[in-house]
Amino acid sequence: AQKVTQAQTEISVVEKEDVTLDCVYETRDTTYYLFWYKQPPSGELVFLIRRNSFDEQNEISGRYSWNFQKSTSSFNFTITASQVVDSAVYFCALSEEESWGKLQFGAGTQVVVTP
Amino acid sequence: GAGVSQSPSNKVTEKGKDVELRCDPISGHTALYWYRQSLGQGLEFLIYFQGNSAPDKSGLPSDRFSAERTGGSVSTLTIQRTQQEDSAVYLCASSRGQGGKISYNEQFFGPGTRLTVL
Repeated sequence: AQKVTQAQTEISVVEKEDVTLDCVYETRDTTYYLFWYKQPPSGELVFLIRRNSFDEQNEISGRYSWNFQKSTSSFNFTITASQVVDSAVYFCALSEEESWGKLQFGAGTQVVVTP
Repeated sequence: GAGVSQSPSNKVTEKGKDVELRCDPISGHTALYWYRQSLGQGLEFLIYFQGNSAPDKSGLPSDRFSAERTGGSVSTLTIQRTQQEDSAVYLCASSRGQGGKISYNEQFFGPGTRLTVL
């Protein structure tokens, strides 16, 4: 069963628009970790952020922000004032405490930012 | 410092042949993972190494797939009697993997090996 759902397959925006990527996860573990990775056209996955299940504080890093809500099992990602360099596939992933760090990825959301 | 490296970057093979894919993790990283990325299946976990041991091989799709790791460093993923459905990008990742919170550590990914089976 799919444990991480990224319902948006592709989002197209014009530069400077904000874009929010949805991620819904499913787990029975009380301790788990959520990640976002970026995969630019070059193909290499780049780590963006990690959140543990006990820390629901939202986080902002530059133009990126993340909203973690356990009540809705969601870990959404917003890019503010998007730029062409943000064009990539973004993956949400879940690591459960007893899973040796195995990442379970969502299907990914392709973000296309046009000038 | 050097990141995760993988070789070859591209591999084209004929159905039925064996292939070996190599991963060099970041120095000092004890945890190593193999994933596969394909259009139909997305990003899938294959196998996890801690040192030279593989506590989790649950993602290997068939007994044609095997992997080993030597010296707690380099890992090789071997696919025997390749099939067309094995065509995918094979990604390797490593992480510190220590301190009791393996699941917490971010994984650093290599550029992948694109395997095409004709």
